[in-house]
Amino acid sequence: GDSVTQMEGPVTLSEEAFLTINCTYTATGYPSLFWYVQYPGEGLQLLLKATKADDKGSNKGFEATYRKETTSFHLEKGSVQVSDSAVYFCALSPRSNYQLIWGAGTKLIIKP
Amino acid sequence: DGGITQSPKYLFRKEGQNVTLSCEQNLNHDAMYWYRQDPGQGLRLIYYSQIVNDFQKGDIAEGYSVSREKKESFPLTVTSAQKNPTAFYLCASSVTRDRGIGYTFGSGTRLTVV
Repeated sequence: GDSVTQMEGPVTLSEEAFLTINCTYTATGYPSLFWYVQYPGEGLQLLLKATKADDKGSNKGFEATYRKETTSFHLEKGSVQVSDSAVYFCALSPRSNYQLIWGAGTKLIIKP
Repeated sequence: DGGITQSPKYLFRKEGQNVTLSCEQNLNHDAMYWYRQDPGQGLRLIYYSQIVNDFQKGDIAEGYSVSREKKESFPLTVTSAQKNPTAFYLCASSVTRDRGIGYTFGSGTRLTVV
């Protein structure tokens, strides 16, 4: 079945470091892909998305490119801030329906 | 502004009690979902509903019940049969016509057994 695999956390970086959180997926056809962010004690917020191959989603300095050939949707940011500390979830919406399949989440810790 | 409202933000339950968590949306979304999140863990689907008066069990429905009498509302009852209910509960909603939009989440209810 369809699935999402994220790199395990926590990921700990210093402020201004480059961030990559890996996300790979298994799905038939062309799913839609999403990154959500969850700050401590809050619900999830949509961070960015891409709905077809080679699309790049971007928001708040974060980017992710839909790579069909490697079935990946890695999240990147050039210079992280302490305020980026959160849990990041990768998800896909299969070709067959609208319901999201979730990765396990990756906790990001940014140290000043 | 449209959104999802979960209440209360914090809830305390005594052993053997049933408690109900509220979830209301004004986004005109057809589908609604309940997830459970334990500390340091991901999301686990409890129940979901695609249309009024219909709902389906998710992966961990035992000890929970729901109703969907109105499009806007999807309350979750945590029954006394749920032996370990302490967790963070998240409600979400989505459209069903477009799989490129994703879900909108509420801010969550933290349930603690005392």
